[in-house]
Amino acid sequence: AQSVAQPEDQVNVAEGNPLTVKCTYSVSGNPYLFWYVQYPNRGLQFLLKYITGDNLVKGSYGFEAEFNKSQTSFHLKKPSALVSDSALYFCAVREAGTYKYIFGTGTRLKVLA
Amino acid sequence: GAVVSQHPSRVICKSGTSVKIECRSLDFQATTMFWYRQFPKQSLMLMATSNEGSKATYEQGVEKDKFLINHASLTLSTLTVTSAHPEDSSFYICSATRGEGFAGELFFGEGSRLTVL
Repeated sequence: AQSVAQPEDQVNVAEGNPLTVKCTYSVSGNPYLFWYVQYPNRGLQFLLKYITGDNLVKGSYGFEAEFNKSQTSFHLKKPSALVSDSALYFCAVREAGTYKYIFGTGTRLKVLA
Repeated sequence: GAVVSQHPSRVICKSGTSVKIECRSLDFQATTMFWYRQFPKQSLMLMATSNEGSKATYEQGVEKDKFLINHASLTLSTLTVTSAHPEDSSFYICSATRGEGFAGELFFGEGSRLTVL
């Protein structure tokens, strides 16, 4: 069965510092991996995805993610955090052969001024 | 980008009444839509997959008679919570795929917060 794990419930980082939000996955076959962000009382917004190609994927708002096949990881990164990046971040994998997503449990990012 | 509109954003109802939530894809045709439920500080729980013109596919443990889903057109899916009870209070989110195959991302509505008194 396919799954994603986000090992950290919360990540705190100082404004201006680099941030990393971790995600590991377990899939059969080629993974389709996604990152979404959710602000309070809002739906999810798409940040980026890995389907194939370069392992470093660049997305919205300066975020990027690195696909690492050997470590089965897809960590979300940003070189310099902003207070406005504070939100809930979800990693997701698409279930093989379907349009269904499997979401991680989410990581709350708090950027401190 | 693709826009998914969800309405209402907030609804308060009395126990025993029914509530309908609409999900519309505004600038694309969505053959498949998904309905999620999110509890406070938790991840999204997929409730059902809605396919235009056919019956929805419900996830295990989701009562299909309580959560009625209709996907009557390529731009509209509705979720009706029937005979709502306080335990149905939650944040409901819809999403849609733009038909780009399995590599395409989902587009989410803004969510609907249901409070049952």
